[in-house]
Amino acid sequence: DQQVKQNSPSLSVQEGRISILNCDYTNSMFDYFLWYKKYPAEGPTFLISISSIKDKNEDGRFTVFLNKSAKHLSLHIVPSQPGDSAVYFCAASEDSYGGSQGNLIFGKGTKLSVKP
Amino acid sequence: ETGVTQSPTHLIKTRGQQVTLRCSSQSGHNTVSWYQQALGQGPQFIFQYYREEENGRGNFPPRFSGLQFPNYSSELNVNALELDDSALYLCASSALRGAEGYTFGSGTRLTVV
Repeated sequence: DQQVKQNSPSLSVQEGRISILNCDYTNSMFDYFLWYKKYPAEGPTFLISISSIKDKNEDGRFTVFLNKSAKHLSLHIVPSQPGDSAVYFCAASEDSYGGSQGNLIFGKGTKLSVKP
Repeated sequence: ETGVTQSPTHLIKTRGQQVTLRCSSQSGHNTVSWYQQALGQGPQFIFQYYREEENGRGNFPPRFSGLQFPNYSSELNVNALELDDSALYLCASSALRGAEGYTFGSGTRLTVV
């Protein structure tokens, strides 16, 4: 039973536009959420995170929004660039330290393609 | 500063065999976590080692075992390989308690035939 769901396997966006990647979760005990980016033949790279006590976190072109009542989070990339083309994973943890015991629960990922 | 190195990059094994995967953590990192990523799935937590002790474990059977050495490098051992063990195995090291500090390696692609 999937606790973290990324229902869109792929997303295609024009360069300069906004990319919105969505993630839903079922476990109300999740306390910390992270987004990772993965290029082919490389390991995932940490992108941005959010604690359950917040509803928004920004880092440059990347913003993560959290709606706890809906158990939904989204990653916004503005403006999108061709170099953003990658697989994006949403991950969650019950640990407020964001996985101090390593137990991150990942979604299946969304493949983002940004077209020039 | 070198990153996380995993070896080998690819491996083919026969069902029933045993396999050892290796991970050299990033300099200054004392924690190593292992994940299994099956095709079309997200990474799934196997276990974590902190200062040579198992610090947490996911829902994997005992035939998945690990070690961490005094230099903080780590091994993942899988006994009695099954076809479903075919996956990308990712190692992540960190110096912080939180997952923001994870540095992932590029993984070992294991194929069980």
